[in-house]
Amino acid sequence: KQEVTQIPAALSVPEGENLVLNCSFTDSAIYNLQWFRQDPGKGLTSLLLIQSSQREQTSGRLNASLDKSSGRSTLYIAASQPGDSATYLCAVRPGYGQNFVFGPGTRLSVLP
Amino acid sequence: KAGVTQTPRYLIKTRGQQVTLSCSPISGHRSVSWYQQTPGQGLQFLFEYFSETQRNKGNFPGRFSGRQFSNSRSEMNVSTLELGDSALYLCASSLGAGAGNPYEQYFGPGTRLTVT
Repeated sequence: KQEVTQIPAALSVPEGENLVLNCSFTDSAIYNLQWFRQDPGKGLTSLLLIQSSQREQTSGRLNASLDKSSGRSTLYIAASQPGDSATYLCAVRPGYGQNFVFGPGTRLSVLP
Repeated sequence: KAGVTQTPRYLIKTRGQQVTLSCSPISGHRSVSWYQQTPGQGLQFLFEYFSETQRNKGNFPGRFSGRQFSNSRSEMNVSTLELGDSALYLCASSLGAGAGNPYEQYFGPGTRLTVT
């Protein structure tokens, strides 16, 4: 059974810092992995999706990497801004047509 | 293109009642998935519908059910509500099949259900 963990659970950084959020999964046989952000009381916003055959994806200041052999993905945020403050969730799809398994999230606060 | 919409946004019900939540996917998306989010359990998958058929199901009791209509809109029903059903219910839509990223999910704003 696939399990997803995220470290740290919470992170507070000053504006402008580069930061890394971590996601670990127990079964390396995955179909894809998706990173989301969630603002308090709101739905999820898709950030990046990495297929199992890919090593990384980039969008603006965000870069996500995937290392299936070690069961890890990282989300790199460059030059953080207060507007980046949110909870970041990673979700793993174990196989084609299977449902997502979500991690518990990392709550990020970027201080002005 | 309009995003995923969910109605109602907020709901207060009494224990023992039943509730129906609605989700309209992005135009052209044929898959709708439902999730329950609580502070203690995080995001948990309820079920997925694709072309009016339930394709996947999570580990929830039979009180939780759903359906999908021919226009891909989906409803979720919870019968005999319990206090523990208080949660944010999120739906997500995706293409569900085909080329590209058919399983990239787009989420709605959620329905906040409070059971008293």
